[in-house]
Amino acid sequence: DAKTTQPPSMDCAEGRAANLPCNHSTISGNEYVYWYRQIHSQGPQYIIHGLKNNETNEMASLIITEDRKSSTLILPHATLRDTAVYYCIVSPPFTQGGSEKLVFGKGTKLTVNP
Amino acid sequence: NAGVTQTPKFQVLKTGQSMTLQCAQDMNHEYMSWYRQDPGMGLRLIHYSVGAGITDQGEVPNGYNVSRSTTEDFPLRLLSAAPSQTSVYFCASSFSFPREGFYGYTFGSGTRLTVV
Repeated sequence: DAKTTQPPSMDCAEGRAANLPCNHSTISGNEYVYWYRQIHSQGPQYIIHGLKNNETNEMASLIITEDRKSSTLILPHATLRDTAVYYCIVSPPFTQGGSEKLVFGKGTKLTVNP
Repeated sequence: NAGVTQTPKFQVLKTGQSMTLQCAQDMNHEYMSWYRQDPGMGLRLIHYSVGAGITDQGEVPNGYNVSRSTTEDFPLRLLSAAPSQTSVYFCASSFSFPREGFYGYTFGSGTRLTVV
């Protein structure tokens, strides 16, 4: 079973920030938070991951609470092309043999409106 | 272009037929896996491999076989297709331990399979 809870859907206006929440209250100390997205029927695309510090890359920012029980993916200036299903996944890192079993839940359907 | 290549993109099978879904990657990734996605559902892991000659079962392995004779290829075999196997199949690959410039899993574009 997926270890995360996400809202089934969200809407965002084009050009505004999209903030996607994820609850992972049972996360273990060695588990990372990963975010992927799936545009229409394409294969999922890796976005970002983190352990306990906030992370930023060219696609998004990841904010993880101090207790690590929840996180937020931020798309700073959402575009129509960001309309997709966003998956939040928790998993041990590669070195502990857990990453082979990324468990995808149903994710959040983000719709970016003009 | 570097990436994960899946063939065919579309396939229609009759119940009881067999076929192999092909997956190839050219990124020298140790880890490869197969997922299926049913309408309105998340992805479910079928089988995975951490390297050539090593495979293991995922969440929904029944009805599927895999082998990994090379680093590059990870075919998925349906021995006797059933309507319940109608789905979209995704292959994914990754390094099996952290590297500089880690970019997570790379997924293929999928194979859409219909079993009638």
